[in-house]
Amino acid sequence: GAVVSQHPSWVICKSGTSVKIECRSLDFQATTMFWYRQFPKQSLMLMATSNEGSKATYEQGVEKDKFLINHASLTLSTLTVTSAHPEDSSFYICSARDPASGGQDEQFFGPGTRLTVL
Amino acid sequence: GQNIDQPTEMTATEGAIVQINCTYQTSGFNGLFWYQQHAGEAPTFLSYNVLDGLEEKGRFSSFLSRSKGYSYLLLKELQMKDSASYLCAVKDSNYQLIWGAGTKLIIKP
Repeated sequence: GAVVSQHPSWVICKSGTSVKIECRSLDFQATTMFWYRQFPKQSLMLMATSNEGSKATYEQGVEKDKFLINHASLTLSTLTVTSAHPEDSSFYICSARDPASGGQDEQFFGPGTRLTVL
Repeated sequence: GQNIDQPTEMTATEGAIVQINCTYQTSGFNGLFWYQQHAGEAPTFLSYNVLDGLEEKGRFSSFLSRSKGYSYLLLKELQMKDSASYLCAVKDSNYQLIWGAGTKLIIKP
């Protein structure tokens, strides 16, 4: 089955620093990847849709200059949280759409990255 | 606006059956997903319904009624490992996934 990896699994950083999270589709090519954020006991919140070779589409209320997304290849998308602050502490999850899944258009999720900003 | 409603929390007994309901109001409909999410982990796919009716997959079944904007996930022969959150998500007319807040299922021995 389709596998998506994320790195790192968890990261602790100081306020004001930048953190990069990688999302890779391991056994399929993903033209579209999604970045979600999930706060404790809340549902997934879509942050942005990442399309290979073009600019990401950000959801309303998500600062594109703070959350930089790069989808440089068909198997890799990165999310960089710039100048992180404690309120950015959250569980960040990526997913990738497998074109081979046909009409179901299923999203396969990475294991998530837990970010803690001190 | 778009809205998906699920109960916040449910409790069931090991070996029993539980039904988790999901109602939705979205701009268009192109399918409904159920995902399972254990605490601190990413969601994993359980089922997909695009036509009315029941889809059975082992101990898990999912039902859809498009006219009623309603789905349920049925879990049989509950096991302790089924303790998790269950997320309902609808693909709208733009093929975006709209997520429910999830139902936390607690299984008691």
